[in-house]
Amino acid sequence: ILNVEQSPQSLHVQEGDSTNFTCSFPSSNFYALHWYRWETAKSPEALFVMTLNGDEKKKGRISATLNTKEGYSYLYIKGSQPEDSATYLCAFRESNTGKLIFGQGTTLQVKP
Amino acid sequence: GAGVSQSPRYKVAKRGQDVALRCDPISGHVSLFWYQQALGQGPEFLTYFQNEAQLDKSGLPSDRFFAERPEGSVSTLKIQRTQQEDSAVYLCASSSVGQQFFGPGTRLTVL
Repeated sequence: ILNVEQSPQSLHVQEGDSTNFTCSFPSSNFYALHWYRWETAKSPEALFVMTLNGDEKKKGRISATLNTKEGYSYLYIKGSQPEDSATYLCAFRESNTGKLIFGQGTTLQVKP
Repeated sequence: GAGVSQSPRYKVAKRGQDVALRCDPISGHVSLFWYQQALGQGPEFLTYFQNEAQLDKSGLPSDRFFAERPEGSVSTLKIQRTQQEDSAVYLCASSSVGQQFFGPGTRLTVL
């Protein structure tokens, strides 16, 4: 059974704080690691698709790193804003067919 | 719009009723996926289509769940004789190469 774990489960920070979350996944049969942001009542929004060990990707104040050998990825948010409040999901993909195996998510609340 | 759409957005069913959930993928996307997200959990894979062919249905939890995509575009997920444990958000995603694009989901509540 493939297991994807995210921590912490939830996080409350003040506006302006920087924060990071962890996603751990199987280190074998790796194809890609996806990060999504999911706001209530909206569609999950794709943030990053990461494929190469050592990959670092950035989108505005959000960045992510990938270590496929040890099976983890970090998502960083610099200077959190209230609009960053959402659930952040990571998903492991082991083949080209595209089936995603999700973690349980990290719910972030940013207080003004 | 150009995104994945799902209908209805919310569905309340009495236990034992049949329901049908619809997914309109992004035009031209070959692959279509269904996921189920129970409260407090991450989405879990249900089934996968490539065009009209259902290539993987290993995630369907019981034979009460049935999915189809007869013309390789719109897909319907049908749940027969709904049970309370079927209450969840049902997400549809489509992709061409690589990235999966998700719809907003259908929240199903079974009373």
